[in-house]
Amino acid sequence: KQEVTQIPAALSVPEGENLVLNCSFTDSAIYNLQWFRQDPGKGLTSLLLIQSSQREQTSGRLNASLDKSSGRSTLYIAASQPGDSATYLCAVPNNAGNMLTFGGGTRLMVKP
Amino acid sequence: DAGVIQSPRHEVTEMGQEVTLRCKPISGHNSLFWYRQTMMRGLELLIYFNNNVPIDDSGMPEDRFSAKMPNASFSTLKIQPSEPRDSAVYFCASSLGGGINSNQPQHFGDGTRLSIL
Repeated sequence: KQEVTQIPAALSVPEGENLVLNCSFTDSAIYNLQWFRQDPGKGLTSLLLIQSSQREQTSGRLNASLDKSSGRSTLYIAASQPGDSATYLCAVPNNAGNMLTFGGGTRLMVKP
Repeated sequence: DAGVIQSPRHEVTEMGQEVTLRCKPISGHNSLFWYRQTMMRGLELLIYFNNNVPIDDSGMPEDRFSAKMPNASFSTLKIQPSEPRDSAVYFCASSLGGGINSNQPQHFGDGTRLSIL
């Protein structure tokens, strides 16, 4: 059974810092890895999707990397802003296409 | 553009009552997903549809839960009878592409916060 872990569970940083969120998974037979953002009282917003054949994806100040063999992904946020404050979740579908497993999320607070 | 629309936003009802949650996916999307989110268990996929057909319902917790998608623009998740442990936020999401194994992103609604007393 796939298990997805996100560390740290919570993170508080001053504005302007670069930061790294971690996601690890136990079964490397994944189709892709997805990073989402969730604001309080809202649904998830897709940030980045890395296909299993890719090593990284970038969107603006966000960069996500994937190392399938070691079962790890990182989300790098450059020059953090208060508006980045949210919970960030990673998710992996299995190759069979019948299971999508989410991590528990990292709750990020960026202080002005 | 209208995103995924869920109704109601909040529902409070007594145990034993039937609960129906509704979802309107983004027009043109052919995959629809129902999720449940709780503090204890996090976010769990309950069921998903592709082209209105249920593909995998292995995440549905019990027979008290059922989901339908009568057409491409509407889906329901029903709980009958409801129990206090069903209290959670239920999300609906839609995407282009073939279900879970798709490189198309999922678009989520804002959820229904369900409280069973």
